[in-house]
Amino acid sequence: AQSVTQLDSQVPVFEEAPVELRCNYSSSVSVYLFWYVQYPNQGLQLLLKYLSGSTLVKGINGFEAEFNKSQTSFHLRKPSVHISDTAEYFCAVTPYNFNKFYFGSGTKLNVKP
Amino acid sequence: KAGVTQTPRYLIKTRGQQVTLSCSPISGHRSVSWYQQTPGQGLQFLFEYFSETQRNKGNFPGRFSGRQFSNSRSEMNVSTLELGDSALYLCASSPRTSGGKETQYFGPGTRLLVL
Repeated sequence: AQSVTQLDSQVPVFEEAPVELRCNYSSSVSVYLFWYVQYPNQGLQLLLKYLSGSTLVKGINGFEAEFNKSQTSFHLRKPSVHISDTAEYFCAVTPYNFNKFYFGSGTKLNVKP
Repeated sequence: KAGVTQTPRYLIKTRGQQVTLSCSPISGHRSVSWYQQTPGQGLQFLFEYFSETQRNKGNFPGRFSGRQFSNSRSEMNVSTLELGDSALYLCASSPRTSGGKETQYFGPGTRLLVL
């Protein structure tokens, strides 16, 4: 079985400050890892994904994430946030060869001026 | 390419009624997945359809069902609505040619309110 834990339900941060959103997962099989963002009243948009290879993955809007297999983590980072980054962020995993996503409970990022 | 479209965007129903939601995937995508999003339970996988067949299923009661047509469009049906079915229902499509590697592209969702 798979599960995803996002440790912080809300993260307040000032504009231009760095941010890290934490994600830990549990799985009995190998998985692919994803981060999605959801703006108010919209669907989910892919930020980045880890399939294999380099553990540091770069995504859109200046976000990056690092896969740590030993700690089963896939934390999302951005060195300098903008007001427009205010949204809810979801970490997700899907087992190899399955098209079934397991999502974390989400982290609301609130960027303050 | 046009994105994933879902209709209707908003829906109000009363307990006991049934509802049908529609999803049109991105052109060329053959897999459609459905998710329920609620404040309490978060995003939960309902089911996936590929080539008109249900390939994966989440842990939802039989009141939740779906189907996929030959043009890959999908519908989701909820019968005997309960208050707890109030949620945002998201549809996602993918090409489904390489297993779980693929990005799922989400529609804007249908917000269902059950009174």
